[in-house]
Amino acid sequence: SQQGEEDPQALSIQEGENATMNCSYKTSINNLQWYRQNSGRGLVHLILIRSNEREKHSGRLRVTLDTSKKSSSLLITASRAADTASYFCATDAWAAGNKLTFGGGTRVLVKP
Amino acid sequence: DTGVSQDPRHKITKRGQNVTFRCDPISEHNRLYWYRQTLGQGPEFLTYFQNEAQLEKSRLLSDRFSAERPKGSFSTLEIQRTEQGDSAMYLCASSAFAGAPNQPQHFGDGTRLSIL
Repeated sequence: SQQGEEDPQALSIQEGENATMNCSYKTSINNLQWYRQNSGRGLVHLILIRSNEREKHSGRLRVTLDTSKKSSSLLITASRAADTASYFCATDAWAAGNKLTFGGGTRVLVKP
Repeated sequence: DTGVSQDPRHKITKRGQNVTFRCDPISEHNRLYWYRQTLGQGPEFLTYFQNEAQLEKSRLLSDRFSAERPKGSFSTLEIQRTEQGDSAMYLCASSAFAGAPNQPQHFGDGTRLSIL
């Protein structure tokens, strides 16, 4: 079963704009990870944030984590057409073998 | 390329046939995971190995499914007597676990299974 939900389910923006997507989850976690998936391909790891961290940056990506609200957000700044993809959040817990529990994903379309 | 490799990329078969997929993880990664993804959904966990030991199987993994990792390197996932509902993308991922559990999982490009 899915761990939680992502919001919005789909997002359409112009190149150069920022894209923000949110993820909610249900149970206690150790890490939350964000992945990108291009159509018909596997998942590419973007960023991992630990449960004791609140914010993390990687290039044009900014991730926040609020464990009290069981939610996370991913911000992509200055989007490019190549950012068009589906984005998934996934949580893991050490006691569960670090298996990933995914949300339903946000489909992002960046128009040139 | 030293990423996770899956074979085949696509498999089309008739209902009732058996299929086997292979996953080669990143070298020296001792954890290997299998997930299934249906269209428009996020991946769902099926099973995972630490070295050659299969440590957990999801309830999604019916008795028609079996996975092995005989020497702690590559893994195979077999589906017997395939059904229409088995049509999905089967994803493999690996991660390092050497006393450092905060490691990302690295995914292969998956095997897309279509049941006719």
